[in-house]
Amino acid sequence: GAGVSQSPSNKVTEKGKDVELRCDPISGHTALYWYRQSLGQGLEFLIYFQGNSAPDKSGLPSDRFSAERTGGSVSTLTIQRTQQEDSAVYLCASSSQQGAPLSYEQYFGPGTRLTVT
Amino acid sequence: AQSVAQPEDQVNVAEGNPLTVKCTYSVSGNPYLFWYVQYPNRGLQFLLKYITGDNLVKGSYGFEAEFNKSQTSFHLKKPSALVSDSALYFCAVRRGGSARQLTFGSGTQLTVLP
Repeated sequence: GAGVSQSPSNKVTEKGKDVELRCDPISGHTALYWYRQSLGQGLEFLIYFQGNSAPDKSGLPSDRFSAERTGGSVSTLTIQRTQQEDSAVYLCASSSQQGAPLSYEQYFGPGTRLTVT
Repeated sequence: AQSVAQPEDQVNVAEGNPLTVKCTYSVSGNPYLFWYVQYPNRGLQFLLKYITGDNLVKGSYGFEAEFNKSQTSFHLKKPSALVSDSALYFCAVRRGGSARQLTFGSGTQLTVLP
């Protein structure tokens, strides 16, 4: 079956521009996560959506970062006024939080490599 | 707060030899533990997990891991390494209950030498 998909795969942008990154989770998965992978910081949690509940935004590094999830499926991560330190690979993951037994593991997409020049 | 330590940035092993990639964790409450593998320019691929039950868990591609509560460890093992196992391995933990996000270790680059 289809896995988690992300677009674009690569994005080069100029400092100060806004970017939008898209994630399409596995069909039926109610939980969606964004992580960031960078050389200096490793893998960092950014934000988590679960169904219709308010998202857990505790990992967002600044108010320039925001995310939404429309219709409980596709999610968009937006970075405003990009800075060079935003350069990283942005990974999306989804998991099933329903059914018995729960699976718990998260399935990751291929990532979007963001380069801010 | 929860944390994961992978003490070795790099592990080299000869093909056919057993391999171990180390992981220790810190979390309040019952830990849910995971291993993921990342090949170049790819996302993370799930290998195995420990939630409850037997301390030895088996996963994909012949990998296994042993949960040791007293040592707070969850080392990844494979009896006979393949060159194709060469990749970046991440250990991750989450606290059981309502907190869902994973906390990852810094990763261990495994190189299997032919």
